[in-house]
Amino acid sequence: AQSVAQPEDQVNVAEGNPLTVKCTYSVSGNPYLFWYVQYPNRGLQFLLKYITGDNLVKGSYGFEAEFNKSQTSFHLKKPSALVSDSALYFCAVRPQSGANSKLTFGKGITLSVRP
Amino acid sequence: ETGVTQTPRHLVMGMTNKKSLKCEQHLGHNAMYWYKQSAKKPLELMFVYSLEERVENNSVPSRFSPECPNSSHLFLHLHTLQPEDSALYLCASSQGWLVNYGYTFGSGTRLTVV
Repeated sequence: AQSVAQPEDQVNVAEGNPLTVKCTYSVSGNPYLFWYVQYPNRGLQFLLKYITGDNLVKGSYGFEAEFNKSQTSFHLKKPSALVSDSALYFCAVRPQSGANSKLTFGKGITLSVRP
Repeated sequence: ETGVTQTPRHLVMGMTNKKSLKCEQHLGHNAMYWYKQSAKKPLELMFVYSLEERVENNSVPSRFSPECPNSSHLFLHLHTLQPEDSALYLCASSQGWLVNYGYTFGSGTRLTVV
């Protein structure tokens, strides 16, 4: 069965510093990988996805993520954090093939950016 | 607004009540989903509808009953719930559920069972 591990409950960074939010996954075959962000009292918003091709994926709001197949990771990064980036971040995976190809989410990581 | 609208935004119900959550999308998507979000836990997929047919039911208790009358609307009927059912219930839609599309989520219904 596929799964997503987001090992930290919370990541704290200072505004202007680089940030990394970690995600590792387990899936049969090649993955489709996604990052979503959730602001308070809102649903999840799509940030970016890896389908195929370049391992470095660029998404909304200056975020990017790097797919590393050997480490089965898809860490989310941003060169310079903003206070407004503070939110809950979810990583998700689904296999590229198979009849039961549903999206599986991690438990989410709270990002807190201090001024 | 994302294009997926959920009502009500907040709901408080007693354990003997019957209520329904509503989800509506006009994005032309043909797959819709119910997820349960509890603090510090992964999102739990509850139900998947594709082309108005239920294609996934993840061992959800019968006190939750979904209904998909057409491709734009999805309901979750609730009856005799337990306090542990209190959570944020999220609806999502996508263009196809077996391909590489991401999902569009609604803002959720915050349910409190008392």
